[in-house]
Amino acid sequence: GESVGLHLPTLSVQEGDNSIINCAYSNSASDYFIWYKQESGKGPQFIIDIRSNMDKRQGQRVTVLLNKTVKHLSLQIAATQPGDSAVYFCAEISGGSYIPTFGRGTSLIVHP
Amino acid sequence: GAVVSQHPSRVICKSGTSVKIECRSLDFQATTMFWYRQFPKQSLMLMATSNEGSKATYEQGVEKDKFLINHASLTLSTLTVTSAHPEDSSFYICSASAMKQRGYYGYTFGSGTRLTVV
Repeated sequence: GESVGLHLPTLSVQEGDNSIINCAYSNSASDYFIWYKQESGKGPQFIIDIRSNMDKRQGQRVTVLLNKTVKHLSLQIAATQPGDSAVYFCAEISGGSYIPTFGRGTSLIVHP
Repeated sequence: GAVVSQHPSRVICKSGTSVKIECRSLDFQATTMFWYRQFPKQSLMLMATSNEGSKATYEQGVEKDKFLINHASLTLSTLTVTSAHPEDSSFYICSASAMKQRGYYGYTFGSGTRLTVV
């Protein structure tokens, strides 16, 4: 599990819009993926997960899409609210290692 | 749901002293605990992985004598920053994992500890 220490990209949206946050993962052997939300000064919170035998999974206002061909993961947030403002991280886990590898994260800013 | 408690949430210490951070899984037994360090506006950097009753596995570049990890039980892991210096100031986060169905693990994070060394 190695994280990349790069500065965070930012996505700014208006309240009520749909948000799409993207993540490119590195290991084609990864078979489990998790999206986390991290608010300032807090630990990451679980949002939604998806296994590699699926390409889409829906939760409450959130949808995760998985494209294994191009090793891409996205998180869609419907009707984004100011409370959704946070940093979002994707994590990939391979069956051969139980250690999650985190993406660089995206800072979501929702304007009222 | 799984809950992980991390204490303290904030600590200020003098340079040269040691600080202990606790991470507890409150309602499940964690087979593995992870310790991360996070710099402002950056991703989580894995420092070490620990299994109950065995020595922690440290990531490359992390000083094991500087960051002591003890995982004495399935519900408690501690990180001690020894002889802290201002460059150790950071946000430290623990994560506890346990196997879920079909061999997949769940990972639950603590609330983090903001360490400031003065």
